[in-house]
Formats: sequence, structure tokens, C-alpha cells
Amino acid sequence: KQEVTQIPAALSVPEGENLVLNCSFTDSAIYNLQWFRQDPGKGLTSLLLIQSSQREQTSGRLNASLDKSSGRSTLYIAASQPGDSATYLCAVRRSNFGNEKLTFGTGTRLTIIP
Amino acid sequence: NAGVTQTPKFRVLKTGQSMTLLCAQDMNHEYMYWYRQDPGMGLRLIHYSVGEGTTAKGEVPDGYNVSRLKKQNFLLGLESAAPSQTSVYFCASSPRGVEAFFGQGTRLTVV
Repeated sequence: KQEVTQIPAALSVPEGENLVLNCSFTDSAIYNLQWFRQDPGKGLTSLLLIQSSQREQTSGRLNASLDKSSGRSTLYIAASQPGDSATYLCAVRRSNFGNEKLTFGTGTRLTIIP
Repeated sequence: NAGVTQTPKFRVLKTGQSMTLLCAQDMNHEYMYWYRQDPGMGLRLIHYSVGEGTTAKGEVPDGYNVSRLKKQNFLLGLESAAPSQTSVYFCASSPRGVEAFFGQGTRLTVV
């Protein structure tokens, strides 16, 4: 059974700092990995999707990397801003053959201190 | 483009009552999912569908039923609500094997 872990559960950093969020998964046979952002009381917003054949994806100040063989992904946020405060979730999709459900980590709650 | 829309956004039920949550997507996605989110548990898959007329069980299907009569709609039913079903419910859709898009959630309280 796939298990996804995100450590730490919470992180506080001063505004302007660069930071890295971690995601690890137990089964390396994944099809893709997706990073989401969730604001309090809101739904999930997709940030980045990395296919299993890719090493990284970038969108603005965000960069996600994937090391499938070691079961790890990181989300790098450059020059953090108070608006980046949210819970960040990673999710892995195991296969692309009719059983494509996402398995989620429990998230990292990020607070950017002004 | 509305994306994924969930109805209702909030609901309070008494134990034993029934209700249906509606998820509608306008992106012509094949796959649709229902998740529940509980503190400290993350998102857990209840049921999912890989196409119109198909449904399958996820991790926590007990107490729930689903139907996908039309490609754009995925309904989640609670036949006899229990306090343990108090949660935030999220619907998602995706094309085959690609990015998943989520609705804004339904906050359900069973008293």
C-alpha cells in the first residue's frame, strides 16, 4: 500500500527566505506526483504536476523536483511572501491503467512571518 | 469555465438522515473522485469513477454510495448519516492520468 509522508507538519519562516517542503512515498512505481496548495476552509489548488519521467517542474517562484527511485519529491519556494502561507499537500498517482487514484500526504502547514 | 462545482457548500444533518452531495465538472474529464478530509488523516478516497456508468470503491467506502449516470456529474449519497461522517468532502476530476482538479468542498456536520 502506498504511503505518502510530509515532514515537517508545520513550518514557519521569515518573509523573503527560500524554503523547501518535503514529500516521501513508499512505492516508487508512480505515474506522476502533484503538489497542491490549500488555504484554510478552501479547496485544493493545483500547483505543479511532475510526470514520473521528469526530474523537475517550475512555475514562477515554485520548483518541484522528483527522485522516483528514492521515493522523494521537494517543493522549493523562492523569496517567500506572506501570501504563500497555506497548507501544502503532495499526492502520488500510482498508475495510468484504470486505477488512477491519488494518494495524499497529510500536508505541511506553512506560515510566512512578515 | 466553472471547473469542478460542489453542491451544497455546507450542511448539517441529524443522525439517521440521508442526503446527496452533487459534483459537476465542465471539463469533459473521464475520471471523478470523492475524498473526505479529516484533521490529522489527510484526504482519503471514498469512491471513484473512471467513466460514465462506472464506479469503484476507494479506501473508506462504507456508509456511502455513488452514481455516475452522466459524464459530468458524480453523486455521493449518505443513506443513514452517522456522526463519524462529519467531515469536509472534496470532489475532483481529471483527464486520464493527468492533473486532478478539485472543487471547493462541502462541510458536513452530523449531529
